Amino acid sequence: EVQVVESGGGLEQPGGSLRLSCAASGFVFSSFSMNWVRQAPGKGLEWVSSISSSSRTIYYADSVKGRFTISRDNAKSSLYLQMSSLRDEDTAVYYCARESLGWSFDIWGQGTMVTVSS
Amino acid sequence: QSVLTQPPSASGTPGQRVTISCSGSSSNIGSNSVNWYHQLPGTAPKLLIYSNDQRPSGVPDRFSGSRSGTSASLAISGLQSEDEADYYCAAWDDSLNGVVFGGGTKLTVL
Repeated sequence: EVQVVESGGGLEQPGGSLRLSCAASGFVFSSFSMNWVRQAPGKGLEWVSSISSSSRTIYYADSVKGRFTISRDNAKSSLYLQMSSLRDEDTAVYYCARESLGWSFDIWGQGTMVTVSS
Repeated sequence: QSVLTQPPSASGTPGQRVTISCSGSSSNIGSNSVNWYHQLPGTAPKLLIYSNDQRPSGVPDRFSGSRSGTSASLAISGLQSEDEADYYCAAWDDSLNGVVFGGGTKLTVL
């Protein structure tokens, strides 16, 4: 079965750090670009970051640039999001998503909740 | 304030046809493919339409997408109660160098 499973969410204080992981299975992970998308409670979807299959090309949303770092380990079929200098507004469910044609996201995980609060 | 503009709500009765609009600009919809997602409460989003008008396998042909200029639309025909969900449009933005989403449209089946 083609799937991605996120982990690593939790409660963190403002200014703190957290590392999210996404484990992929059922497809050739190294052939696909991967993305993180988040959704604040009761709000819409917000794209966070993208990394190409070889890690050569990386993009970030302005809202997280300089604070978040996306990376991947193709040998482990895993995607990561290192989040630092966390803010209240980073509170959201973070989804890992596989990228397909035309920047579409065809496989999504169940999400992992990140809560930033003192 | 989302880069892509969608109506916050839409509604229809079973069997009806409804459309959801998505308005953007030359840097996103005007030059890149539009994708549509739907999301049931408490679940992850699911790809509904990609590359403006293509359906992934498993998506019923009741769902169709189109793009014209800097706008796009999603049409749902033969509306069913299980279509009640939030719908989002998205596209790559050449100016922002990122994917932009619409604010979402909550579809209610009356």
